[in-house]
Amino acid sequence: EVQLVESGGGLVQPGGSLRLSCAASGFTFSDHYMDWVRQAPGKGPEWVARIRKKVNSYTTEYAASVKGRFTISRHDSENSLYLQMNSLKTEDTAVYYCVRTPDSWGQGTLVTVSS
Amino acid sequence: DIQMTQSPSSLSASVGDRVTITCRASQGINNYLAWFQQKPGKAPKSLIYAASTLQSGVPSKFSGSGSGSDFTLTISSLQPEDFATYYCQQYNGYPLTFGGGTKVEVK
Repeated sequence: EVQLVESGGGLVQPGGSLRLSCAASGFTFSDHYMDWVRQAPGKGPEWVARIRKKVNSYTTEYAASVKGRFTISRHDSENSLYLQMNSLKTEDTAVYYCVRTPDSWGQGTLVTVSS
Repeated sequence: DIQMTQSPSSLSASVGDRVTITCRASQGINNYLAWFQQKPGKAPKSLIYAASTLQSGVPSKFSGSGSGSDFTLTISSLQPEDFATYYCQQYNGYPLTFGGGTKVEVK
C-alpha cells in the first residue's frame, strides 16, 4: 500500500522559511516523479512543484507563484521528498500535500504564514 | 496554462441518483486526466486516472469517460458516503491544473 506522510508544517512569520518533508513507503520511490500540491483554506488544490527521476536528472518544475522562493528535492535512498520554502507570504498559507500524481496523496501538513 | 472548466460547481441529488460531472480542458490533454473525491478536512482521494482507469479499491459505481478535451465523471447510484466535492486535474502540461470543483449535496 502506498503511503505518503508529510511533516514539518507550522506557524511562521511572513518572510520566514520552512522545510517540509514527505516519507514515502509501499512503492519504489525512485521510479516516480513526485509533486507538492497545496490547498488554501476553502479553496481548491493548487499544484506547487514537481521533481523528476534520476534518469531525468532530477529536473524540476514550479508554479509561477512559488518559483524562485521554493525548492523541491528528493533523497531516493531515504525514500524522502522535501520542499524548502523561503520568503514565505501570507498567501502561502495552506495544507501542503505530497503527491504521487495521478494516484496517491498524503494526509497533508498545515503551513500558516502570519505575524 | 491549461484551464480546466468543471461543471456544475454544485448539485443537489438524492441517494440512488445517477450523477454526471463534466470537465473541459482549454486544449487537448492526451487523456492525462484524473478525478478526485474530497470530504471536509480530509485529503483528496484518487478515483480515476488516465481519464477512465479506476483506481484500485474504488467501487465500480464510479466511471470516467471522454477524450481530447472533454471528460465526464459518472456516479451510477449515489450513496450517502458519496456526498463530497469532486475535482478533475490535468497532468499533461505544466503547470498541472485543477478544475474548480463540484460539490455534491443532499437534495
